[in-house]
Amino acid sequence: DTEVTQTPKHLVMGMTNKKSLKCEQHMGHRAMYWYKQKAKKPPELMFVYSYEKLSINESVPSRFSPECPNSSLLNLHLHALQPEDSALYLCASSQGWGGGAGAGELFFGEGSRLTVL
Amino acid sequence: AQSVTQLDSQVPVFEEAPVELRCNYSSSVSVYLFWYVQYPNQGLQLLLKYLSGSTLVKGINGFEAEFNKSQTSFHLRKPSVHISDTAEYFCAVSANTGGFKTIFGAGTRLFVKA
Repeated sequence: DTEVTQTPKHLVMGMTNKKSLKCEQHMGHRAMYWYKQKAKKPPELMFVYSYEKLSINESVPSRFSPECPNSSLLNLHLHALQPEDSALYLCASSQGWGGGAGAGELFFGEGSRLTVL
Repeated sequence: AQSVTQLDSQVPVFEEAPVELRCNYSSSVSVYLFWYVQYPNQGLQLLLKYLSGSTLVKGINGFEAEFNKSQTSFHLRKPSVHISDTAEYFCAVSANTGGFKTIFGAGTRLFVKA
């Protein structure tokens, strides 16, 4: 069983909708990530939060808006998406972002499969 | 900057045969190396990792990998595969560039045939 929980598992939305993806971890990890994965491709980093602050935004369009309400939760707010945004969105966490034990080792959720019509 | 090259996009193999999935990396700084597995419609799961120390690393499900610094490789091996090993395998590198950003290879599809 994964220790990173993502909801919903599947989401279908129109281009004018507003929706959110949610991620929760209870491992005490201080870094959380959003990745986007298209079919038959590797995950691509979107955002990194370290100690609840945004550390990296990989030039992601503003129609994707991340939020980290506390150290266990990570949201991805979606608005005015395009059909090409359809993908598997993966949340991950790690013990830390700046180094030390566990640096770089990612724990993934099962993903939220998004379809934009 | 770091990069990862997985040399095979697909590897078909018969059940109980050995398998090697190849991975090469490049980096100007010391790196951590990982292999992740992704089963259909699931997230990624860590198979094994190399941080430092012994260059032969053992992971879950009978997999092992060897870090070769001179050849900048981190190939994944299993002496006898099962049907259940059919999945996508990603090699990944992480280095401290102001934060441990993980870069994934393109992936290798392992297909185990009966």
